[in-house]
Amino acid sequence: SQTIHQWPATLVQPVGSPLSLECTVEGTSNPNLYWYRQAAGRGLQLLFYSVGIGQISSEVPQNLSASRPQDRQFILSSKKLLLSDSGFYLCAWMQGSYGYTFGSGTRLTVV
Amino acid sequence: AQKVTQAQTEISVVEKEDVTLDCVYETRDTTYYLFWYKQPPSGELVFLIRRNSFDEQNEISGRYSWNFQKSTSSFNFTITASQVVDSAVYFCALSEAQIKAAGNKLTFGGGTRVLVKP
Repeated sequence: SQTIHQWPATLVQPVGSPLSLECTVEGTSNPNLYWYRQAAGRGLQLLFYSVGIGQISSEVPQNLSASRPQDRQFILSSKKLLLSDSGFYLCAWMQGSYGYTFGSGTRLTVV
Repeated sequence: AQKVTQAQTEISVVEKEDVTLDCVYETRDTTYYLFWYKQPPSGELVFLIRRNSFDEQNEISGRYSWNFQKSTSSFNFTITASQVVDSAVYFCALSEAQIKAAGNKLTFGGGTRVLVKP
């Protein structure tokens, strides 16, 4: 079966520290992968998406970056976190014509 | 560019009342998918429905029903006889139907928070 894993579930990081959030997908190959962010009380904003290994598209300029080192692995990173990076981060993959499946999310608090 | 608008930011109802969530979208694509997701307080996104732009037939699933009107670019969601467990944020979303080599995008509305009081 196809599943998506995202970790950690919660994270508290100081301003200026690095960040690495990981997302992996099982049971499929060459998926389209996505990172979304939800600021407190706000909607979901698409940050990055990837159609293949090493292929990253950025939707908004920001303090974050994404990488796809393997087919089913998608990583969200930052070298120095800002307070404004706090939020709920969701990884997703597109199942062709079936739609999108989301991970359980990472709640990041930058202090 | 795609855009999804959920004009209602928060709706409060008493249990057993019906509640309708509005969703209006914009797209230049001739074929597309519309979605509704539920986000309970735990945060995960729960898929509720996907509707193909070719299929304008309304759908009912238990206490949930959806009204798709292509002429007004709307895809509204009604919860009948609401329950406390329906309290959540509900998102409407839009995606291209044709698979694109450059990548497809799922665009969300701002969400509507539903509070069902006992």
